[in-house]
Amino acid sequence: GESVGLHLPTLSVQEGDNSIINCAYSNSASDYFIWYKQESGKGPQFIIDIRSNMDKRQGQRVTVLLNKTVKHLSLQIAATQPGDSAVYFCAENRSHSGYSTLTFGKGTMLLVSP
Amino acid sequence: KAGVTQTPRYLIKTRGQQVTLSCSPISGHRSVSWYQQTPGQGLQFLFEYFSETQRNKGNFPGRFSGRQFSNSRSEMNVSTLELGDSALYLCASSVDRGNTEAFFGQGTRLTVV
Repeated sequence: GESVGLHLPTLSVQEGDNSIINCAYSNSASDYFIWYKQESGKGPQFIIDIRSNMDKRQGQRVTVLLNKTVKHLSLQIAATQPGDSAVYFCAENRSHSGYSTLTFGKGTMLLVSP
Repeated sequence: KAGVTQTPRYLIKTRGQQVTLSCSPISGHRSVSWYQQTPGQGLQFLFEYFSETQRNKGNFPGRFSGRQFSNSRSEMNVSTLELGDSALYLCASSVDRGNTEAFFGQGTRLTVV
């Protein structure tokens, strides 16, 4: 989901569980979507991306699903570990007039308990 | 290979002052984008530079400006600082335009008092 003001939606899971983080995007013309992970005190770290002509892409322990019909993006993390605790952002790349801009969602905090 | 480097990491300024932040992109990356991150507004796009030219600009006042040098290093400047400019300023670099695989630096934490 999306957050309002200071409050980020939070997903709490146990170590070893699978985590699913969701994101809704607004622009059907977006051609490229990215998931970032941001740990406290650090900049966002690229996790995985997906182009709009795909509906699924897999990485190491992560899978991104794209549903263009409902403009929904999800990040699945398998066998979640304490080191996965961070804020996760989805970003959509919008191209216009030859330029492109990354627009970020508000983020979801993932808390993993040992 | 070295990642994106931002300096300084932390900065405290008073209202009315101006500040310059620096970003060195990953070697070989020609596109540099700047973002402002605050708890209330999240990550917001400031501007993008490619080959020393500003290619795109977000919805920020003219007090926010930037430039890119021939070695792709970039600086952003904020003049007449306001309390609301307190934020984490992030720089991201990518090989070319289009933000594909944009890699972020650790950011500069600016506090305006």
